[in-house]
Amino acid sequence: KAGVTQTPRYLIKTRGQQVTLSCSPISGHRSVSWYQQTPGQGLQFLFEYFSETQRNKGNFPGRFSGRQFSNSRSEMNVSTLELGDSALYLCASSLSGGQYEQYFGPGTRLTVT
Amino acid sequence: AQKVTQAQTEISVVEKEDVTLDCVYETRDTTYYLFWYKQPPSGELVFLIRRNSFDEQNEISGRYSWNFQKSTSSFNFTITASQVVDSAVYFCALSEAESNYQLIWGAGTKLIIKP
Repeated sequence: KAGVTQTPRYLIKTRGQQVTLSCSPISGHRSVSWYQQTPGQGLQFLFEYFSETQRNKGNFPGRFSGRQFSNSRSEMNVSTLELGDSALYLCASSLSGGQYEQYFGPGTRLTVT
Repeated sequence: AQKVTQAQTEISVVEKEDVTLDCVYETRDTTYYLFWYKQPPSGELVFLIRRNSFDEQNEISGRYSWNFQKSTSSFNFTITASQVVDSAVYFCALSEAESNYQLIWGAGTKLIIKP
């Protein structure tokens, strides 16, 4: 079974730009969660999607948004990038949510200059 | 509110030593799940174990063992006869029914195994 894939793996953007990250979950998994990981803040939950609906949302500004498609693939978008958005963005899939183990992708390393 | 505390920021031991990583959690819910994940230097988080609040049995998997004690709200992880490949950051996490099973993460413990 293929694991969770994330594209792109690395990204360099300029302040003020927007970015879209993509995540393909493990086949059969309906829940996709996104996390931001930085050295200072650790792992922070962004949001979770299940069956194309946002089920949980973390404490991030509205510049961070996401969506999930009917095939469970998910995208997250960050608009008006700030320097502080530089981080490793991790996507995780699970059967149906946080009560199950999550399987993580390799992450997208975003650098904002 | 739920919370996960991993008080040990960094632990350094010599290969073959046993090491225990501590995890203390807070929750008011009676239905919750606890997890351990490993993040090696390559960066990809790897699932290690999941425990639900109704199953306090300890678990052993090879050199890894987990001690779940509801009385002390702890879910500690022990590596026996550590190896260099065990070097990684280890995260403990909690999800509870009241919060729609949103995962709450500890800050992680960086484990360094010296040859």
